[in-house]
Amino acid sequence: DAGVIQSPRHEVTEMGQEVTLRCKPISGHNSLFWYRQTMMRGLELLIYFNNNVPIDDSGMPEDRFSAKMPNASFSTLKIQPSEPRDSAVYFCASSFGQFGEKLFFGSGTQLSVL
Amino acid sequence: AQTVTQSQPEMSVQEAETVTLSCTYDTSESDYYLFWYKQPPSRQMILVIRQEAYKQQNATENRFSVNFQKAAKSFSLKISDSQLGDAAMYFCAYRSGHTGNQFYFGTGTSLTVIP
Repeated sequence: DAGVIQSPRHEVTEMGQEVTLRCKPISGHNSLFWYRQTMMRGLELLIYFNNNVPIDDSGMPEDRFSAKMPNASFSTLKIQPSEPRDSAVYFCASSFGQFGEKLFFGSGTQLSVL
Repeated sequence: AQTVTQSQPEMSVQEAETVTLSCTYDTSESDYYLFWYKQPPSRQMILVIRQEAYKQQNATENRFSVNFQKAAKSFSLKISDSQLGDAAMYFCAYRSGHTGNQFYFGTGTSLTVIP
């Protein structure tokens, strides 16, 4: 299995631009999570989906952030407009929905907003 | 919401020695799962070990073992015979067995291995 696939690995953009991060979960997994990692705040859960349905988006910072999961094999996290404080590593992770199953992480997207 | 606390931002250990990383958590649930993840400089998050709360026996994976104290809500990770490749950030995580699939992570412990 190829694991959780994220793209791009690095993204550099200017303030005000739209940024789209992409994720392909492991086939058969029905839970998908988006995390943001910074030195100051550690790992923060932004949103997670079960069976393509958003379950908890309370971690989404503000309306500039949106996430979609149109099907079981693809999810996007969009930031519009981007700001320098959005600079972070964004991780996508997937899991089987059964309780107790471990989380598989992608390699992350390093986002830099100038 | 459940909270996970790692009180040691940084730790160091001599190569071949043993080190223990601490983790405590707060929950009112009886059914849950605990994890330790490793994040090396490559930033890939790797599962180190997993513990079911209903099991009294401590989980072990080769040189990695845990000391799970359910009553004290403590879940420490012991690394034996430390190797240079063990240098990484280590995150403790909690997953509920009842209220959905939420994972809660601690703030991490940065482990340095001294040759």
